[in-house]
Amino acid sequence: GENVEQHPSTLSVQEGDSAVIKCTYSDSASNYFPWYKQELGKGPQLIIDIRSNVGEKKDQRIAVTLNKTAKHFSLHITETQPEDSAVYFCAANIRSAGNKLTFGGGTRVLVKP
Amino acid sequence: NAGVMQNPRHLVRRRGQEARLRCSPMKGHSHVYWYRQLPEEGLKFMVYLQKENIIDESGMPKERFSAEFPKEGPSILRIQQVVRGDSAAYFCASSPSGEGSQPQHFGDGTRLSIL
Repeated sequence: GENVEQHPSTLSVQEGDSAVIKCTYSDSASNYFPWYKQELGKGPQLIIDIRSNVGEKKDQRIAVTLNKTAKHFSLHITETQPEDSAVYFCAANIRSAGNKLTFGGGTRVLVKP
Repeated sequence: NAGVMQNPRHLVRRRGQEARLRCSPMKGHSHVYWYRQLPEEGLKFMVYLQKENIIDESGMPKERFSAEFPKEGPSILRIQQVVRGDSAAYFCASSPSGEGSQPQHFGDGTRLSIL
């Protein structure tokens, strides 16, 4: 089955700096890679996703890159703000099983003002 | 513009009791997924349902756990004879179809505590 590894597990950055989170996946058939932000006491919120037919996608301060050959994808947050503090999860779909997602272990991001 | 609705938000049960968790998908979504999250961990897939059908229950324990998504009403995750190890946050997500690149949108979860 699919296995998704996520690093780092914690990340502390100064406000205004960039944050980068990296994930690797094992199933070369995966073609959909969403990123979720989870705040305390809330459910995961979809912040950006990328499909395997593109290598990069950007939405304001958030960007995601995908390297299919190396089977890894990354989340980049620029000009970080205190409200970016949360736990971020990457995920990959399992094509052989509908839209089931396998999640990484999460990255706790702390943006220090 | 209601999102995925889960209730209750918090549920406390004693060992041996039954827990029922409900999930109403986003409007227009007919596919529901249940995930479980232990503290400080990621989400683990449990079961995937369409209306009146269980498509994939490979992540759900064989005993005590069951799920349904009837033609009318919310999806229900049922845990019988709960044990301490069932304490976790249970999240429901929905998508408009089962295609592999359809976004899944999550509810705010039910936090189950077993005394």
